[in-house]
Amino acid sequence: GQQLNQSPQSMFIQEGEDVSMNCTSSSIFNTWLWYKQDPGEGPVLLIALYKAGELTSNGRLTAQFGITRKDSFLNISASIPSDVGIYFCAGRSGTYKYIFGTGTRLKVLA
Amino acid sequence: NAGVTQTPKFRVLKTGQSMTLLCAQDMNHEYMYWYRQDPGMGLRLIHYSVGEGTTAKGEVPDGYNVSRLKKQNFLLGLESAAPSQTSVYFCASSYNPGGSYEQYFGPGTRLTVT
Repeated sequence: GQQLNQSPQSMFIQEGEDVSMNCTSSSIFNTWLWYKQDPGEGPVLLIALYKAGELTSNGRLTAQFGITRKDSFLNISASIPSDVGIYFCAGRSGTYKYIFGTGTRLKVLA
Repeated sequence: NAGVTQTPKFRVLKTGQSMTLLCAQDMNHEYMYWYRQDPGMGLRLIHYSVGEGTTAKGEVPDGYNVSRLKKQNFLLGLESAAPSQTSVYFCASSYNPGGSYEQYFGPGTRLTVT
């Protein structure tokens, strides 16, 4: 099935560093969602974006809806060990269908 | 407010056995979904429902059936389990009639078919 291109695939960072990741699509989306998934758990919704150019924060997380509506970005500031996990994006296509990114595996070195 | 709940959390089946996974949501969402997640494959849509009494096929529907008799519940059935159905199954829900399209996931059911 279709998956969105998400980069980087994985990253190792030092505690306290900032992290950036992005998702790109060949299609236009009306909604972008960002999730975090810990091992053995379900994806947890972090941020939802609804308008092109929208910038939304949730604590140390900030996400942006790209102005072309074909991409989205997630930044994590001052990373901490509990930020470790897999982050993935999702774009809403049409009314009910969501397309998911390939995921970014984040590892934080204390 | 429990969000999306799934039962059971773990299950082991023998080939040919049947089972039903139960999903419940308390957010008054119209849409509900069943996904499977396999290593390297991401989330794949099995079936979905856009309202009580309606269901539709997703990307990988073969071997599964669903029912949505009540708005808050969405059941996934495996009539004759096969080893290829070993996976982690996630239920999700979205769309509040007030206009939000946020999609929320349940904690997952880890199914092993031997």
